[in-house]
Amino acid sequence: GAGVSQTPSNKVTEKGKYVELRCDPISGHTALYWYRQSLGQGPEFLIYFQGTGAADDSGLPNDRFFAVRPEGSVSTLKIQRTERGDSAVYLCASSADPASRGYTFGSGTRLTVV
Amino acid sequence: DAKTTQPPSMDCAEGRAANLPCNHSTISGNEYVYWYRQIHSQGPQYIIHGLKNNETNEMASLIITEDRKSSTLILPHATLRDTAVYYCIVRQGGSEKLVFGKGTKLTVNP
Repeated sequence: GAGVSQTPSNKVTEKGKYVELRCDPISGHTALYWYRQSLGQGPEFLIYFQGTGAADDSGLPNDRFFAVRPEGSVSTLKIQRTERGDSAVYLCASSADPASRGYTFGSGTRLTVV
Repeated sequence: DAKTTQPPSMDCAEGRAANLPCNHSTISGNEYVYWYRQIHSQGPQYIIHGLKNNETNEMASLIITEDRKSSTLILPHATLRDTAVYYCIVRQGGSEKLVFGKGTKLTVNP
């Protein structure tokens, strides 16, 4: 596709449940990023993939959060035992060359934990 | 990464130039200045970036002071569609991480 696609666009889940959020990057983009944005705040870095491997996962808040990118394309962010504080918009971005053109972000998945 | 300081909000009249300031007094020599914007309910959009020299593209111009401690993003002829939150980010060369602040909410008025 032309842009970064994230599904679902909205997700409501109960506290304690497991959720998966999907990101389809722009075809050919080797770098993929996950960010989280709470209301009224700027996006907060979670994890960065170069190809299949997580090159920097320093932003993952705790071990309930995990992300994979098994074939170097689609990525899934997984959250176990969700808590109300996990409610936020989860943004995915991809880039072929961040130094020259920056990232292209998707529209995000709005996660609400009730 | 160096921190940035931006005014929380600004207003601009449609058709006029919008000048958005950013202070980054602790910037180091290998850190780039990036600007992104975020329109309501969308992901951030890359605008422009620079290291030392002023830069211009189809969206905006970036003016960086000689001491690199501040910069200004210029939208030459603002339209209503430019209403958004504008983020100024300092990114270390070789780092893949962008550290966003709260940005400046720009409102373009008719």
